[in-house]
Amino acid sequence: GQQLNQSPQSMFIQEGEDVSMNCTSSSIFNTWLWYKQEPGEGPVLLIALYKAGELTSNGRLTAQFGITRKDSFLNISASIPSDVGIYFCAGQSNYQLIWGAGTKLIIKP
Amino acid sequence: NAGVTQTPKFRILKIGQSMTLQCTQDMNHNYMYWYRQDPGMGLKLIYYSVGAGITDKGEVPNGYNVSRSTTEDFPLRLELAAPSQTSVYFCASSYSTGGTGGEKLFFGSGTQLSVL
Repeated sequence: GQQLNQSPQSMFIQEGEDVSMNCTSSSIFNTWLWYKQEPGEGPVLLIALYKAGELTSNGRLTAQFGITRKDSFLNISASIPSDVGIYFCAGQSNYQLIWGAGTKLIIKP
Repeated sequence: NAGVTQTPKFRILKIGQSMTLQCTQDMNHNYMYWYRQDPGMGLKLIYYSVGAGITDKGEVPNGYNVSRSTTEDFPLRLELAAPSQTSVYFCASSYSTGGTGGEKLFFGSGTQLSVL
């Protein structure tokens, strides 16, 4: 079946640093989505991408839909403590939503 | 707005017991979903529903059952609990049309289930 490879699995960063994470697949997707999950809660949609090459921002978050339609990137600029959590990518194809395993973001004290 | 509400928040079951995880949404969404989340893994779709009276299997349906008698409610039933069903369960809903891929999902806060 379709799979998404999300990396890195976890990140330890200093407050104020920029963060980058990505998802890749051997399959083409029509839509890429980025969700964030905080402890004890369900995922919340951050950014949705609908077109190859699309670059979309949501505050300090920027995500891109790869030109090959097989990958997507999420960048967080100037990280702050409330950015901690697990970030999931998800790709949609043929009405199926496939999820990555998540990137856990931890801010070093 | 309440959004998607799941109960209970936590539950411990003995092997072979049964239980129902409740999910209700107040957004008038047609599409509802049940996912399970295991540590270090992405979300796996158990069952989904495209409207009242219509349900279908997802990726990992074995050991579970669902019903959708109203637009608002989508309970998940475990008939004979097994240790492999220890997981965090999320209910979600969406307004998007078309198949299982309603991309803008709204999630509940989850039910942490342990089967011992």
